[in-house]
Amino acid sequence: AQTVTQSQPEMSVQEAETVTLSCTYDTSESDYYLFWYKQPPSRQMILVIRQEAYKQQNATENRFSVNFQKAAKSFSLKISDSQLGDAAMYFCAYRSRTSGTYKYIFGTGTRLKVLA
Amino acid sequence: GAGVSQTPSNKVTEKGKYVKLRCDPISGHTALYWYRQSLGQGPEFLIYFQGTGAADDSGLPNDRFFAVRPEGSVSTLKIQRTERGDSAVYLCASSARLAGTGELFFGEGSRLTVL
Repeated sequence: AQTVTQSQPEMSVQEAETVTLSCTYDTSESDYYLFWYKQPPSRQMILVIRQEAYKQQNATENRFSVNFQKAAKSFSLKISDSQLGDAAMYFCAYRSRTSGTYKYIFGTGTRLKVLA
Repeated sequence: GAGVSQTPSNKVTEKGKYVKLRCDPISGHTALYWYRQSLGQGPEFLIYFQGTGAADDSGLPNDRFFAVRPEGSVSTLKIQRTERGDSAVYLCASSARLAGTGELFFGEGSRLTVL
């Protein structure tokens, strides 16, 4: 079974600085999606960034980028120029593309604090 | 509305009671998911639907939990004989189609407290 591990329960970053959140996963599959979702205190989760495993190029969305290391099964999120609005829980998630099940498996999350 | 809507936003009940949680997905989204999120944890998969049918219900913890989606739109998660351990935030999410590019759109959740 697939698992997703986030080993950093909490991280802090100074406003305007850069922070990297870690995620590792375990799977025997070769084709899948990886995601980072953000959950602000209001509770509604929103997608930050998505990576397709067959694409070697790392995904980028404005200030958010990933470092996808398929062989190492690592998927870290880099937030550049951190803003106060980035403070939230961040969840890494996995979803198979080929196994016939489309459930998303989430990690336990990392709480990001942004210091003014 | 434009987003996923969940009602009630908060529900307090007594142990042993029956509760229903409702989810209105984004119009036209065929895939609908239920997750449970306990304090300080990540979302835990319960069930997902493609259209009216439950495509994967392997995450339902026991037979006290049941979910339906009779017309392929609104879904109801039902919990019988509630226990204190059922207290959590229940999240609903929808996506345009099951095997699509993967973005889930979440509601704000229903916080269930069992006394």
